[in-house]
Amino acid sequence: EVQLVESGGGLIQPGGSLRLSCAASGFTVTGSYMSWVRQAPGRGPEWVAVIYTSGSIYYGDSVKGRFTIFKDSSKNTASLQMNSLRAEDTAMYYCASGQWGRPLEYWGRGTLVTVTS
Amino acid sequence: QTVVTQEPSLTVSPGGTVTLTCASSTGAVTTDHHANWFQQKPGQAPRPLIYSTNTLHSWTPARFSGSILGDKAALTLSGVQPEDEAEYYCLLHYSGVWMFGGGTKLTVL
Repeated sequence: EVQLVESGGGLIQPGGSLRLSCAASGFTVTGSYMSWVRQAPGRGPEWVAVIYTSGSIYYGDSVKGRFTIFKDSSKNTASLQMNSLRAEDTAMYYCASGQWGRPLEYWGRGTLVTVTS
Repeated sequence: QTVVTQEPSLTVSPGGTVTLTCASSTGAVTTDHHANWFQQKPGQAPRPLIYSTNTLHSWTPARFSGSILGDKAALTLSGVQPEDEAEYYCLLHYSGVWMFGGGTKLTVL
């Protein structure tokens, strides 16, 4: 059974950094597309980043240059390093996995990030 | 800046049929956009319904279908049930990058 469990969220000041982790079970992260999606309170979901099985990486415009997505095959995890955080980065962050055409097939329950002074 | 547009809200009667659409500011939506559709209810993560324009996930009821209608991706619900009341989001692919639409709030009344 595919399971994704996010961790690492919390309260952080503007300008700070945070690393989110996504522990995967039931499959290997190296064989799957791993993505992060966020959803601010009362808003729709926003696609954040993906790392494809080829190793290619893409980011949404709002996080490009500040966030970094990576996988750790030894721990079977995917992570999102978030730097230069802003108030508008406040959201529930979801990890998702999938394959070509269905990149967000399986979702975790999310981890909440709150950026506030 | 690319924008993906959906109807903000739609209302349908139980047992009826409704079509939600997903448009791209870059032009016509095609199968190359690999449209995905998600359903979201309050307090829950989005739940995938359809991928690659018209393929249902194994858990998606057969009353849901996906297609290209004109220059938009479309999600059609036939024989709508009360439990279909939810927010629906489309997701389109653009050369490695994915983008959500703003969502359609579907009311079953």
